[in-house]
Amino acid sequence: QKEVEQDPGPLSVPEGAIVSLNCTYSNSAFQYFMWYRQYSRKGPELLMYTYSSGNKEDGRFTAQVDKSSKYISLFIRDSQPSDSATYLCAMIGTGNQFYFGTGTSLTVIP
Amino acid sequence: DGGITQSPKYLFRKEGQNVTLSCEQNLNHDAMYWYRQDPGQGLRLIYYSQIVNDFQKGDIAEGYSVSREKKESFPLTVTSAQKNPTAFYLCASGDSPTRFNQPQHFGDGTRLSIL
Repeated sequence: QKEVEQDPGPLSVPEGAIVSLNCTYSNSAFQYFMWYRQYSRKGPELLMYTYSSGNKEDGRFTAQVDKSSKYISLFIRDSQPSDSATYLCAMIGTGNQFYFGTGTSLTVIP
Repeated sequence: DGGITQSPKYLFRKEGQNVTLSCEQNLNHDAMYWYRQDPGQGLRLIYYSQIVNDFQKGDIAEGYSVSREKKESFPLTVTSAQKNPTAFYLCASGDSPTRFNQPQHFGDGTRLSIL
């Protein structure tokens, strides 16, 4: 079993839709969670960084962590064509080891 | 502007040739990382360095080498021993892993192809 599982998609939604991106993980020791956005031919850009369970909101983006279910989500409200990218989840384990999901490809159609 | 600079953006390798990918950061980060990204496989760790003059192998170090002579720089050499080097290579940096669980920040990558 992989440490982090992420549905690769692709996911295609109309402009203005609410998008939900998800990752599951197996290690209950993970406490730090991140979401990165990666445009084509570019490096990943940090979007959200959260610690432990709960919600964190930044503009149209909300990161949610449910440690009891080992499940994290990124919600994008009022999605825009500029949100079209691959979204990677990431987690930090013991010894500062990083674990990345494989990424979900999102296309927002005008 | 603070950030991570990778060069070149595109690189071509001939058979039997070693090539070096550059990574420079001005974020004053202690830790630096090299990843390989292939379609459908996510990020795979090649090498990482937590302090100057020290580095550790990641999950797929065979056929690669690194050096860390300066805090700002962490070049990656893809040797002729790496038989499948075609990929997108990403460099990242982060604060000292012994003090903070801080996120990594990435450069914009180098795409390496075989001629």
